[in-house]
Order: sequence, then C-alpha cells, then structure tokens
Amino acid sequence: DTGVSQNPRHKITKRGQNVTFRCDPISEHNRLYWYRQTLGQGPEFLTYFQNEAQLEKSRLLSDRFSAERPKGSFSTLEIQRTEQGDSAMYLCASSLDGLDGYTFGSGTRLTVV
Amino acid sequence: AQSVTQLDSQVPVFEEAPVELRCNYSSSVSVYLFWYVQYPNQGLQLLLKYLSGSTLVKGINGFEAEFNKSQTSFHLRKPSVHISDTAEYFCAVRPMGGNEKLTFGTGTRLTIIP
Repeated sequence: DTGVSQNPRHKITKRGQNVTFRCDPISEHNRLYWYRQTLGQGPEFLTYFQNEAQLEKSRLLSDRFSAERPKGSFSTLEIQRTEQGDSAMYLCASSLDGLDGYTFGSGTRLTVV
Repeated sequence: AQSVTQLDSQVPVFEEAPVELRCNYSSSVSVYLFWYVQYPNQGLQLLLKYLSGSTLVKGINGFEAEFNKSQTSFHLRKPSVHISDTAEYFCAVRPMGGNEKLTFGTGTRLTIIP
C-alpha cells in the first residue's frame, strides 16, 4: 500500500470559487479524518468518517464546507465560495481502529487570492 | 474538551546533545497521547503513542516519552540528536471512548546545530 494519497498537492483559486480535494486512504482503513493546518499552528480537526458514515463534524466547519465518503473508500472535501481565510493546508488521515496512530497524507495546500 | 500546550515554540540543540520537548495537556476524561513529527512539505508521521501500561514509551528514530498522569505531561526525549531530527514536533491527545478527534498542540520546531 502506498499510504494516504491526497490530490491535488497545491491549489490556487480566486476568492468566491469552489474547490474540491480528494483523499484516498489506506485500503483496509475504515476510518478517515480531515484536518486543517495554518502556518504556525497544529492541525485542527474538521470531520471524520467511519466507513461511509460521517460521525463528527467540527464547529469550525461552516456551511460552505462539505465532506463525503460515498462508498467508504475515498473522500472528498468541498469548499464553496472560498474566502481568503480558507487558505491553509488540508490534511487527510486514515486509521484501522482509531488507536493505531492515524496515517496522514502529505496534504493539499490551498491558497485563495 | 481537551487542550494541549507545547510551551516551547522553538528549541535549538547542538548535534549529539540530548533534547526534551515538553507537552502538557488538559482533559476532563482519560486520554490517549501521541507525538508526531512533520518534516518540511510532508505530512505528519507518528513517532510514538501511549495507550495504556508502562508509562515510558519508546518510538521510532530513538525517541521516547514518559506519561505522567499527576502532572498531565507527556514529554518527548532523545539522548543524542542528529541533523536529520530537524523538524516540527506535535503532541496530540484523544479521549478514551467513542470520540476519535485528535487535539494537537501548536508544535515545537527542533533545530539541530552542527
């Protein structure tokens, strides 16, 4: 297995545009997590899935954010009407049982101009 | 809710010297504890974790950490650092039970001086 894969690695978009990121977890992992990391900060939890069910969503996630994991495999994170404050690194992680330490992808760096 | 404090934002250390990176946490419930390392332009990599049992935990790359429940601390140590240890280090906690949300500290940048 090649680990957790995130695409694209970088995304530059104009304010007001919609963007979508993709995460492919380790194949046997049923848990998938999204985090956001800004410069000088630790990652902040956004949401997580167990299989296709979205079990928790952070209050940080405004209505402009939506995440899906339609078949319990890959996941997408969409941001609508992007704002400059959305500029950050978006990290995806997956886990087998929630206690194995989570395997993180390399992230998607979003820049909103 | 949980919170994690990493008081040292930057730690410079001479090569082959020992290092300790401090982590304190706050939680109303029992927690699991983790240390991650992040190299430039890469994702986070698990260094070690404490789930239960012995309070001294050994991880990869010669790192170890000790869980101290009374002081709510989980400090990371290495007896002799190498240039390749230059990176950002994050402490994180997760509550025991159903909630799988990891709460991270703000990180400590470890710089090794040749």
